Amino acid sequence: SQQGEEDPQALSIQEGENATMNCSYKTSINNLQWYRQNSGRGLVHLILIRSNEREKHSGRLRVTLDTSKKSSSLLITASRAADTASYFCASFNTGGFKTIFGAGTRLFVKA
Amino acid sequence: DAGVIQSPRHEVTEMGQEVTLRCKPISGHDYLFWYRQTMMRGLELLIYFNNNVPIDDSGMPEDRFSAKMPNASFSTLKIQPSEPRDSAVYFCASSLPDRGGYEQYFGPGTRLTVT
Repeated sequence: SQQGEEDPQALSIQEGENATMNCSYKTSINNLQWYRQNSGRGLVHLILIRSNEREKHSGRLRVTLDTSKKSSSLLITASRAADTASYFCASFNTGGFKTIFGAGTRLFVKA
Repeated sequence: DAGVIQSPRHEVTEMGQEVTLRCKPISGHDYLFWYRQTMMRGLELLIYFNNNVPIDDSGMPEDRFSAKMPNASFSTLKIQPSEPRDSAVYFCASSLPDRGGYEQYFGPGTRLTVT
């Protein structure tokens, strides 16, 4: 399979709560990226973390990367109803420009 | 910039017909990617180009699929003949990784239905 794995597959939380999504990948990476997809739309890039970084922040987003475990997590703090979407991790592999997307986590934030 | 442009946005066709999907990448981007998204298989990379040259087409499902990039501002994905199992959303994306621009910019997608 060309996909990485993400968990949970779906997550339902109340507005104001934090949402954590996890991602695992299979090969050596140059960087790992997270994307968001609203229903019926294309994917939108959120944040990129390089292989030599362990944590990165952008607004309400926090991404961690553990290359020894080939895993990453995305934390959305103080979630809003507008955060309802699917979230995908994408590993950008070394030795080429092939980007492998995970299966995605569907996040539903209840107002 | 208008972003990545795809056409048509929706396509309904009958089995056996030829389908052509079109993409205009962001000006200046030198990598272009074609993806297919379905509920069952998720987001799959079909093929990608660098400077108009196909680099990796290992994701193209079979010979019925072909992709071209005749110039830096235009690419097509063709399915001939189309089959119902080709029904999916097809996305085009572009990026500039040679200059550190690893993030991909996606078009709105073409929803293909083959009956």
